[in-house]
Amino acid sequence: QSALTQPPSASGSPGQSVTISCTGTSSDIGGYNYVSWYQQHPGQAPKLMIYEVTKRPSGVPDRFSGSKSGNTASLTVSGLQGEDEADYYCSSYAGYINLFGGGTKLTVL
Amino acid sequence: EVQLVESGGGLVKPGGSLRLSCAASGFTFSSSDMNWVRQAPGKGLEWVSAINKDGSHISYGDSVKGRFTISRDNAKNSLYLQVNSLRAEDTAVYYCARGIVPAAFDMWGQGTMVTVSS
Repeated sequence: QSALTQPPSASGSPGQSVTISCTGTSSDIGGYNYVSWYQQHPGQAPKLMIYEVTKRPSGVPDRFSGSKSGNTASLTVSGLQGEDEADYYCSSYAGYINLFGGGTKLTVL
Repeated sequence: EVQLVESGGGLVKPGGSLRLSCAASGFTFSSSDMNWVRQAPGKGLEWVSAINKDGSHISYGDSVKGRFTISRDNAKNSLYLQVNSLRAEDTAVYYCARGIVPAAFDMWGQGTMVTVSS
């Protein structure tokens, strides 16, 4: 059960777009359309932002979008805002278990 | 109010045990798959365990298999995690979370801290 691979950091200026990648294997990301993304601000519980690769829960701005190609999933945040600065985690189903990525700290410059 | 509230954390010596609880309210607990996710201080998220709505399907992460036991009581709207043979690396905030589909946890509690230290 290896964790999914995310870049440790990402950054962008307000109004810009940033994409965070999440790389797994054919046994997790590549094998199922069950990839999720979470946002976590310091001292708070994680918040679900994307599930089933591309779906947004009610209340999540459409500036957040997800995609997948092969064994790599991506989260794109468009029109960056200051409140988007947070840690982001990907997660994937891997057959009766779930895996998380190591997390990416997004900085809004 | 829709919420999950964890309890039962604390300071325990290596090799010790604890029983974590998660009280659910504001939604139909008996129709919901539930999970435990932990986060070591300053570290990332780690999925720990899952149980389906009626308790007939249970799974664990490799790092806790054989030491942790997940269970639920739908009559009490409660989720539990019995943690045994604790190690220093089990030190973390333990969250309970509702699963809507695999890997998608749409509701989280505030977490309960478990510290394993001599």
